[in-house]
Amino acid sequence: NAGVTQTPKFRILKIGQSMTLQCTQDMNHNYMYWYRQDPGMGLKLIYYSVGAGITDKGEVPNGYNVSRSTTEDFPLRLELAAPSQTSVYFCASRPVEAGYLSGANVLTFGAGSRLTVL
Amino acid sequence: AQKVTQAQTEISVVEKEDVTLDCVYETRDTTYYLFWYKQPPSGELVFLIRRNSFDEQNEISGRYSWNFQKSTSSFNFTITASQVVDSAVYFCALSVRAGNMLTFGGGTRLMVKP
Repeated sequence: NAGVTQTPKFRILKIGQSMTLQCTQDMNHNYMYWYRQDPGMGLKLIYYSVGAGITDKGEVPNGYNVSRSTTEDFPLRLELAAPSQTSVYFCASRPVEAGYLSGANVLTFGAGSRLTVL
Repeated sequence: AQKVTQAQTEISVVEKEDVTLDCVYETRDTTYYLFWYKQPPSGELVFLIRRNSFDEQNEISGRYSWNFQKSTSSFNFTITASQVVDSAVYFCALSVRAGNMLTFGGGTRLMVKP
């Protein structure tokens, strides 16, 4: 039972390089999220998706792009990496639930991807 | 917009002490959900509990207990007889009914010393 899988676990980038963080979930969850966690800080939402083909910005979207072509995959693209993007990135997913519990579902997180931009 | 505040950035206790982690939230929604997650030194995020706004009953699970008070917009977490394995960063989080996002507090780092 894989859950949410993120790759790579660690990466060092030079300023100006680009890369994609991969995220895959095998739980058929509609909702997927990308958060970043800066050292000693909480998690901030970068982008999220409520289903294939639908994405939306979170609190800190600048410098990132996402796509959601399938239910399973939600890659995060960093263009022109900057030192301010040094962080741990977490992908998460949750199922949809209608009715009074809409919005209540628990997120399942991946193990995180530690990115350093030098 | 939602906001979660964890005023205690770091707490240090000696093993077997009781410790309470504070969480204060802000939302205009009348139906919302509160969560606690644990992040041990290994880095993963582990779900601990979810509470619905319409259920103010406190909850106990082993050495863990949670006190939800709508009157003060607080959802505090108490660890009784702390152990070294409780050392972690603990996050409080909030989502609202029909909302798409989970908003996190800044986290409290708990260090339990032997």
